[in-house]
Amino acid sequence: DAGVIQSPRHEVTEMGQEVTLRCKPISGHNSLFWYRQTMMRGLELLIYFNNNVPIDDSGMPEDRFSAKMPNASFSTLKIQPSEPRDSAVYFCASTLRGLVGTIYFGEGSWLTVV
Amino acid sequence: AQRVTQPEKLLSVFKGAPVELKCNYSYSGSPELFWYVQYSRQRLQLLLRHISRESIKGFTADLNKGETSFHLKKPFAQEEDSAMYYCAPSGGAQKLVFGQGTRLTINP
Repeated sequence: DAGVIQSPRHEVTEMGQEVTLRCKPISGHNSLFWYRQTMMRGLELLIYFNNNVPIDDSGMPEDRFSAKMPNASFSTLKIQPSEPRDSAVYFCASTLRGLVGTIYFGEGSWLTVV
Repeated sequence: AQRVTQPEKLLSVFKGAPVELKCNYSYSGSPELFWYVQYSRQRLQLLLRHISRESIKGFTADLNKGETSFHLKKPFAQEEDSAMYYCAPSGGAQKLVFGQGTRLTINP
């Protein structure tokens, strides 16, 4: 398995533009997580899904952020409109439900909003 | 509320010196605890978990329930240990909450 696959790896966009980050979890995994990494705040959990259903989105910073998981092999994180303070590395991770201590991370999407 | 604290954002030690990365947690019940590591240009990955009581790459971590700590230690640091380290408790919920991380730099 190629592991968790994220795209794009790098994105630079202008303030106000819509940003869509994509994630393909490891086949067979039924829990998916979106994290955001910044120097100031470290690694924050934004939202997670079990069996494609959003379970906890309390970490989503505001209404400009939304996440979907239409099927077991695909998830998106959308920011609309984007702002410079959204600049960060966004990680997707997956695991088998119940094995939350051993989650597998993607390589991250480096977002810069100018 | 569940909380994990890594008091040092940056830690720099010389090669061969002992290393200790601190982690304190505030959780109800008996959480499982993990250390994750992110080497330069690599994915974040599991380093070790407290229930396995193992030593990985020379690192060990002891859970101290009295002090609610899970510090990561290595007696002799190596240059390849330079990385970002995250402490992560899992309090029974189906999610992993990470500390702010400690960037460890090993100086030659």
